Amino acid sequence: DGGITQSPKYLFRKEGQNVTLSCEQNLNHDAMYWYRQDPGQGLRLIYYSQIVNDFQKGDIAEGYSVSREKKESFPLTVTSAQKNPTAFYLCASLGQGGQSPKNIQYFGAGTRLSVL
Amino acid sequence: QKEVEQDPGPLSVPEGAIVSLNCTYSNSAFQYFMWYRQYSRKGPELLMYTYSSGNKEDGRFTAQVDKSSKYISLFIRDSQPSDSATYLCAITDSNYQLIWGAGTKLIIKP
Repeated sequence: DGGITQSPKYLFRKEGQNVTLSCEQNLNHDAMYWYRQDPGQGLRLIYYSQIVNDFQKGDIAEGYSVSREKKESFPLTVTSAQKNPTAFYLCASLGQGGQSPKNIQYFGAGTRLSVL
Repeated sequence: QKEVEQDPGPLSVPEGAIVSLNCTYSNSAFQYFMWYRQYSRKGPELLMYTYSSGNKEDGRFTAQVDKSSKYISLFIRDSQPSDSATYLCAITDSNYQLIWGAGTKLIIKP
């Protein structure tokens, strides 16, 4: 089954702790994205990567870090510098070319992060 | 002013009603227009996309774009309780980055 897998589904962070959210895709997509979703708000872009070993900051990158060592994987680390990390985190990927327009993103099921 | 405006609702209608969901946008250069549906505690899934003014129909769903007014709509006919979800509009900018509306929470009452 092709798709995007996010893990864990629920995550708890202690104060001062870094936590890493996993995102894996087997769609052979080049571009991957991390979004944060807060209640009553739309999706806000944290980081994105259009190719392996390259990534760019989105609108709210402070307190977060990413890596893109493999095409299939785009983990997000929520660092202790992120003072308000409680949110729903969504990973998405986008394929270049094919039948779909360039800008259709496909999403994982999300990770809900809470602070203990 | 946000680039994409969407009323967060909630919007509550009886089963069988026609639902109208709307977004307005500010940049006339925006190119692609999409509607995503998001069930509670799930990731968004693409419902419809279009790039031109006019209507696009898919079953009970119709997406409408009016570029002159910078206004997009999603209509749901014969609404069902299973349509209860948050509906997000998304529009691409010139760099093909998605700009999201806040999402409208829709509740269909049996």
